[in-house]
Amino acid sequence: DAGVIQSPRHEVTEMGQEVTLRCKPISGHNSLFWYRQTMMRGLELLIYFNNNVPIDDSGMPEDRFSAKMPNASFSTLKIQPSEPRDSAVYFCASSFGGDNQPQHFGDGTRLSIL
Amino acid sequence: QKEVEQNSGPLSVPEGAIASLNCTYSDRVSQSFFWYRQYSGKSPELIMSIYSNGDKEDGRFTAQLNKASQYVSLLIRDSQPSDSATYLCADYNAGNMLTFGGGTRLMVKP
Repeated sequence: DAGVIQSPRHEVTEMGQEVTLRCKPISGHNSLFWYRQTMMRGLELLIYFNNNVPIDDSGMPEDRFSAKMPNASFSTLKIQPSEPRDSAVYFCASSFGGDNQPQHFGDGTRLSIL
Repeated sequence: QKEVEQNSGPLSVPEGAIASLNCTYSDRVSQSFFWYRQYSGKSPELIMSIYSNGDKEDGRFTAQLNKASQYVSLLIRDSQPSDSATYLCADYNAGNMLTFGGGTRLMVKP
């Protein structure tokens, strides 16, 4: 079975550029999560969708970050304009809804902003 | 603020020994707990879930939960060098969101 699919795997771009990260959740999962991981701050939840609707975006660092989920099989996380401090690994995860359901992670996007 | 605490390590154990990884959580209403393993440069991989007080065994892994003490642990028996990784503890809050600990780095030495 296909897991969570993220693209690109690596992204290197210059400060000020727009960055778009993409995620395809596991088929049938109705919850989708975007995380950011750094050495300093560990794994941080940015935003959570349930049935394509954003439920909690309190982890989104600032207005430069936005996320969408136009349908059940696709989500994007956009950073505009990007800054060097946005450099991190960004993970997408999905699960069936409900507190007891584990989340399954994609391979992540390693983002470097120069 | 709801928190999940782990000792960052590194925890170093010899090959064949039992590795004991510990985690405490602050949210008394937490009901579901998960252990993820993350190899360097890779994504977190679910290895155990536990929902009830007591022990849950899966192969060489045993998860232990004590809700009264707000304590979760993971035991790895017969540790192998391939078990060397960072282990993340996580719990669910009422909002269907996972809170992760900072992770414990485990090193199993041949």
